[in-house]
Amino acid sequence: QKEVEQNSGPLSVPEGAIASLNCTYSDRGSQSFFWYRQYSGKSPELIMFIYSNGDKEDGRFTAQLNKASQYVSLLIRDSQPSDSATYLCAPHNFNKFYFGSGTKLNVKP
Amino acid sequence: DTAVSQTPKYLVTQMGNDKSIKCEQNLGHDTMYWYKQDSKKFLKIMFSYNNKELIINETVPNRFSPKSPDKAHLNLHINSLELGDSAVYFCASSQGQNQPQHFGDGTRLSIL
Repeated sequence: QKEVEQNSGPLSVPEGAIASLNCTYSDRGSQSFFWYRQYSGKSPELIMFIYSNGDKEDGRFTAQLNKASQYVSLLIRDSQPSDSATYLCAPHNFNKFYFGSGTKLNVKP
Repeated sequence: DTAVSQTPKYLVTQMGNDKSIKCEQNLGHDTMYWYKQDSKKFLKIMFSYNNKELIINETVPNRFSPKSPDKAHLNLHINSLELGDSAVYFCASSQGQNQPQHFGDGTRLSIL
Protein backbone atom coordinates (compact mmCIF):
# COMPACT_ATOMS: atom_id res chain seq x y z
CA GLN A 1 0.00 0.00 0.00
CA LYS A 2 1.30 3.42 -0.95
CA GLU A 3 1.72 5.92 1.86
CA VAL A 4 -0.44 8.45 0.00
CA GLU A 5 -3.00 7.67 -2.68
CA GLN A 6 -4.33 10.26 -5.07
CA ASN A 7 -6.19 9.83 -8.32
CA SER A 8 -3.72 11.02 -10.95
CA GLY A 9 -6.48 12.49 -13.12
CA PRO A 10 -6.73 14.53 -15.14
CA LEU A 11 -9.79 15.90 -13.40
CA SER A 12 -11.60 18.20 -15.80
CA VAL A 13 -14.11 20.77 -14.54
CA PRO A 14 -15.71 23.75 -16.27
CA GLU A 15 -14.84 27.25 -15.14
CA GLY A 16 -16.92 28.29 -12.17
CA ALA A 17 -17.56 24.72 -10.96
CA ILE A 18 -16.36 23.08 -7.75
CA ALA A 19 -13.29 20.87 -8.06
CA SER A 20 -12.98 18.10 -5.49
CA LEU A 21 -9.57 16.52 -4.92
CA ASN A 22 -9.22 13.50 -2.67
CA CYS A 23 -6.40 11.82 -0.83
CA THR A 24 -6.05 8.80 1.45
CA TYR A 25 -3.01 8.06 3.58
CA SER A 26 -1.73 5.01 5.41
CA ASP A 27 0.24 6.43 8.38
CA ARG A 28 -2.26 6.79 11.24
CA GLY A 29 0.26 8.85 13.16
CA SER A 30 0.14 11.68 10.63
CA GLN A 31 -0.39 14.97 12.43
CA SER A 32 -0.23 17.66 9.76
CA PHE A 33 -1.78 17.67 6.33
CA PHE A 34 -0.78 19.96 3.50
CA TRP A 35 -2.00 20.64 0.00
CA TYR A 36 0.53 21.99 -2.48
CA ARG A 37 -0.13 23.21 -6.00
CA GLN A 38 2.49 22.57 -8.65
CA TYR A 39 2.33 24.15 -12.09
CA SER A 40 4.14 22.29 -14.85
CA GLY A 41 7.87 22.92 -14.61
CA LYS A 42 7.54 24.86 -11.37
CA SER A 43 8.04 24.15 -7.69
CA PRO A 44 5.29 23.14 -5.25
CA GLU A 45 3.60 26.01 -3.44
CA LEU A 46 1.48 25.71 -0.32
CA ILE A 47 -2.27 26.10 -0.78
CA MET A 48 -3.75 24.89 2.50
CA PHE A 49 -2.86 23.08 5.68
CA ILE A 50 -5.06 21.41 8.27
CA TYR A 51 -4.24 19.78 11.59
CA SER A 52 -7.64 18.90 13.10
CA ASN A 53 -10.61 16.89 11.96
CA GLY A 54 -13.24 18.91 10.16
CA ASP A 55 -13.18 21.67 7.60
CA LYS A 56 -10.90 24.63 7.15
CA GLU A 57 -11.75 27.37 4.68
CA ASP A 58 -9.49 29.94 3.08
CA GLY A 59 -11.01 31.97 0.28
CA ARG A 60 -12.08 29.64 -2.50
CA PHE A 61 -10.31 26.68 -0.91
CA THR A 62 -11.63 24.30 1.73
CA ALA A 63 -9.60 21.48 3.23
CA GLN A 64 -11.41 18.60 4.90
CA LEU A 65 -9.83 16.07 7.24
CA ASN A 66 -11.17 12.81 8.62
CA LYS A 67 -8.43 11.06 10.59
CA ALA A 68 -10.61 8.04 11.42
CA SER A 69 -11.02 7.36 7.70
CA GLN A 70 -7.48 8.51 6.91
CA TYR A 71 -8.92 10.83 4.31
CA VAL A 72 -8.19 14.41 3.39
CA SER A 73 -9.69 16.46 0.59
CA LEU A 74 -9.43 19.84 -1.05
CA LEU A 75 -12.39 21.66 -2.53
CA ILE A 76 -11.87 24.54 -4.93
CA ARG A 77 -14.96 26.68 -5.43
CA ASP A 78 -15.50 28.87 -8.49
CA SER A 79 -12.66 27.10 -10.31
CA GLN A 80 -10.60 29.29 -12.62
CA PRO A 81 -8.39 28.31 -15.57
CA SER A 82 -5.45 29.55 -13.46
CA ASP A 83 -6.22 26.72 -11.00
CA SER A 84 -5.14 24.20 -13.66
CA ALA A 85 -2.17 22.47 -12.07
CA THR A 86 -1.20 19.32 -10.20
CA TYR A 87 -2.26 19.22 -6.56
CA LEU A 88 -0.07 17.28 -4.13
CA CYS A 89 -1.43 15.89 -0.89
CA ALA A 90 1.23 15.77 1.85
CA PRO A 91 0.60 14.19 5.25
CA HIS A 92 3.43 14.59 7.76
CA ASN A 93 4.18 12.63 10.90
CA PHE A 94 7.00 14.42 12.75
CA ASN A 95 10.07 13.18 10.87
CA LYS A 96 8.12 11.34 8.21
CA PHE A 97 7.15 13.36 5.19
CA TYR A 98 4.92 11.86 2.54
CA PHE A 99 3.84 13.32 -0.75
CA GLY A 100 1.27 11.91 -3.13
CA SER A 101 2.05 11.86 -6.83
CA GLY A 102 -0.68 14.46 -7.31
CA THR A 103 -3.96 14.97 -9.11
CA LYS A 104 -3.83 16.94 -12.31
CA LEU A 105 -6.68 19.46 -12.52
CA ASN A 106 -7.83 21.01 -15.79
CA VAL A 107 -10.28 23.90 -15.57
CA LYS A 108 -11.86 24.53 -18.93
CA PRO A 109 -12.92 28.09 -19.85
CA ASP B 1 14.00 38.70 -2.73
CA THR B 2 13.75 34.99 -3.35
CA ALA B 3 12.90 33.12 -0.15
CA VAL B 4 14.54 29.78 -1.04
CA SER B 5 17.11 29.95 -3.78
CA GLN B 6 18.92 27.08 -5.46
CA THR B 7 21.84 27.12 -7.83
CA PRO B 8 22.28 26.06 -10.51
CA LYS B 9 18.84 25.90 -12.09
CA TYR B 10 19.99 23.44 -14.73
CA LEU B 11 22.84 20.98 -14.54
CA VAL B 12 23.84 18.83 -17.50
CA THR B 13 26.79 16.54 -16.96
CA GLN B 14 28.21 13.16 -17.81
CA MET B 15 28.04 9.91 -15.92
CA GLY B 16 30.73 9.51 -13.36
CA ASN B 17 31.17 13.23 -12.65
CA ASP B 18 30.79 14.86 -9.23
CA LYS B 19 28.51 17.86 -8.85
CA SER B 20 27.07 20.11 -6.14
CA ILE B 21 23.81 21.98 -5.76
CA LYS B 22 23.57 24.91 -3.37
CA CYS B 23 20.55 26.11 -1.42
CA GLU B 24 20.02 29.20 0.70
CA GLN B 25 16.93 30.45 2.51
CA ASN B 26 16.36 33.94 3.89
CA LEU B 27 13.16 33.14 5.80
CA GLY B 28 14.87 32.55 9.14
CA HIS B 29 13.63 28.94 9.13
CA ASP B 30 15.39 26.34 11.24
CA THR B 31 14.67 23.27 9.11
CA MET B 32 15.78 22.57 5.55
CA TYR B 33 15.16 19.67 3.20
CA TRP B 34 16.27 18.07 -0.04
CA TYR B 35 13.71 16.33 -2.22
CA LYS B 36 14.02 14.40 -5.48
CA GLN B 37 11.18 14.52 -8.00
CA ASP B 38 11.43 11.91 -10.71
CA SER B 39 9.83 11.76 -14.13
CA LYS B 40 6.63 10.32 -12.63
CA LYS B 41 6.39 13.40 -10.41
CA PHE B 42 6.84 11.55 -7.12
CA LEU B 43 8.37 13.94 -4.61
CA LYS B 44 10.56 11.96 -2.26
CA ILE B 45 12.42 13.33 0.71
CA MET B 46 16.13 12.65 0.82
CA PHE B 47 17.48 14.62 3.78
CA SER B 48 16.37 17.06 6.42
CA TYR B 49 18.45 19.27 8.69
CA ASN B 50 17.28 21.11 11.78
CA ASN B 51 19.64 23.84 13.00
CA LYS B 52 22.53 22.29 11.06
CA GLU B 53 21.88 18.79 12.45
CA LEU B 54 20.86 15.90 10.24
CA ILE B 55 17.44 14.62 11.34
CA ILE B 56 16.26 12.67 8.30
CA ASN B 57 18.43 10.53 6.12
CA GLU B 58 16.23 8.41 3.91
CA THR B 59 17.43 5.43 1.94
CA VAL B 60 19.63 7.33 -0.42
CA PRO B 61 22.88 6.07 -1.98
CA ASN B 62 25.87 7.28 -0.01
CA ARG B 63 27.05 9.02 -3.19
CA PHE B 64 24.72 11.78 -2.01
CA SER B 65 26.11 13.87 0.83
CA PRO B 66 24.37 16.90 2.31
CA LYS B 67 26.22 19.66 4.11
CA SER B 68 24.76 22.43 6.23
CA PRO B 69 27.36 25.09 7.11
CA ASP B 70 24.66 27.10 8.92
CA LYS B 71 20.92 26.96 9.32
CA ALA B 72 20.33 29.14 6.26
CA HIS B 73 22.28 26.89 3.88
CA LEU B 74 21.95 23.27 2.84
CA ASN B 75 24.09 22.01 -0.01
CA LEU B 76 23.94 18.67 -1.78
CA HIS B 77 27.00 16.99 -3.22
CA ILE B 78 26.66 14.02 -5.54
CA ASN B 79 29.58 11.75 -6.40
CA SER B 80 29.91 9.44 -9.38
CA LEU B 81 26.69 10.51 -11.05
CA GLU B 82 24.54 7.80 -12.62
CA LEU B 83 21.82 7.92 -15.28
CA GLY B 84 19.19 7.24 -12.61
CA ASP B 85 20.13 10.44 -10.82
CA SER B 86 18.45 12.45 -13.56
CA ALA B 87 15.58 14.28 -11.85
CA VAL B 88 14.56 17.63 -10.45
CA TYR B 89 16.00 18.28 -7.00
CA PHE B 90 14.10 20.67 -4.75
CA CYS B 91 15.35 22.38 -1.66
CA ALA B 92 12.75 23.47 0.92
CA SER B 93 12.62 25.06 4.34
CA SER B 94 10.15 25.35 7.20
CA GLN B 95 9.94 26.76 10.69
CA GLY B 96 9.71 23.49 12.55
CA GLN B 97 9.30 19.98 11.28
CA ASN B 98 5.53 19.75 10.95
CA GLN B 99 5.05 23.17 9.42
CA PRO B 100 4.40 24.24 5.83
CA GLN B 101 7.40 24.06 3.59
CA HIS B 102 8.65 26.68 1.17
CA PHE B 103 10.30 25.27 -1.93
CA GLY B 104 13.07 26.57 -4.11
CA ASP B 105 12.66 26.64 -7.89
CA GLY B 106 14.40 23.30 -8.32
CA THR B 107 17.54 22.11 -10.05
CA ARG B 108 17.00 20.01 -13.15
CA LEU B 109 19.81 17.49 -13.31
CA SER B 110 20.37 15.65 -16.58
CA ILE B 111 22.97 12.93 -16.90
CA LEU B 112 24.30 12.20 -20.38
